[in-house]
Amino acid sequence: NFMLTQPHSVSESPGKTVTISCTRSSGSIASNYVQWYQQRPGSAPTTVIYEDNQRPSGVPDRFSGSIDSSSNSASLTISGLKTEDEADYYCQSYDSSIVFGGGTKLTVL
Amino acid sequence: EVQLVESGGGLVQPGGSLRLSCAASGFTFSSYWMHWVRQAPGKGLVWVSRINSDGSSTSYADSVKGRFTISRDNAKNTLYLQMNSLRAEDTAVYYCARDGDSSSWYWFDPWGQGTLVTVSS
Repeated sequence: NFMLTQPHSVSESPGKTVTISCTRSSGSIASNYVQWYQQRPGSAPTTVIYEDNQRPSGVPDRFSGSIDSSSNSASLTISGLKTEDEADYYCQSYDSSIVFGGGTKLTVL
Repeated sequence: EVQLVESGGGLVQPGGSLRLSCAASGFTFSSYWMHWVRQAPGKGLVWVSRINSDGSSTSYADSVKGRFTISRDNAKNTLYLQMNSLRAEDTAVYYCARDGDSSSWYWFDPWGQGTLVTVSS
């Protein structure tokens, strides 16, 4: 099996843009879709990106996803940061099993 | 509105058993893969198990294989997780999640609100 590695925490100011990375330890990042979930304190996760770069209905276009085969990583980019974006973000992918990254705490200050 | 409501969590002694349920509504339950995902207190998300739409195919994380059993009753629109030989490290909030698409098995949307399982003497 493989691992997905995320930074433990990131912080940025309101109105700015932040990017959270997710690096796959083995196997190609492009081989299997990557999803991103947002989890606010005390709440269940919700999907912000699925299948690398697709946004569910209701998710603002400030959220975007991409993959980079050269670094074997996926990225979640949030532009025009709002205080309500402050949350934990998890990447997720799969092969025969399903794997989550360790999560990144986003602070908007 | 799609809804998933978990129940059955609680305090159980090490070595004990518990059965979680997840009542689904607002969609054609029998058309979707379903999953269990857990989150230990203050920790990250960990996939536990999945089951296909008719219940004929299941898969488990290594950490629960042989101890947990996922099942479903499509007539009752309900997903289950039977947990046996529970250990302290199984303490977590357990989330039920539908697969994000009726043709996939690898992502989660939506999620239930979760039910807390505490394994302690």
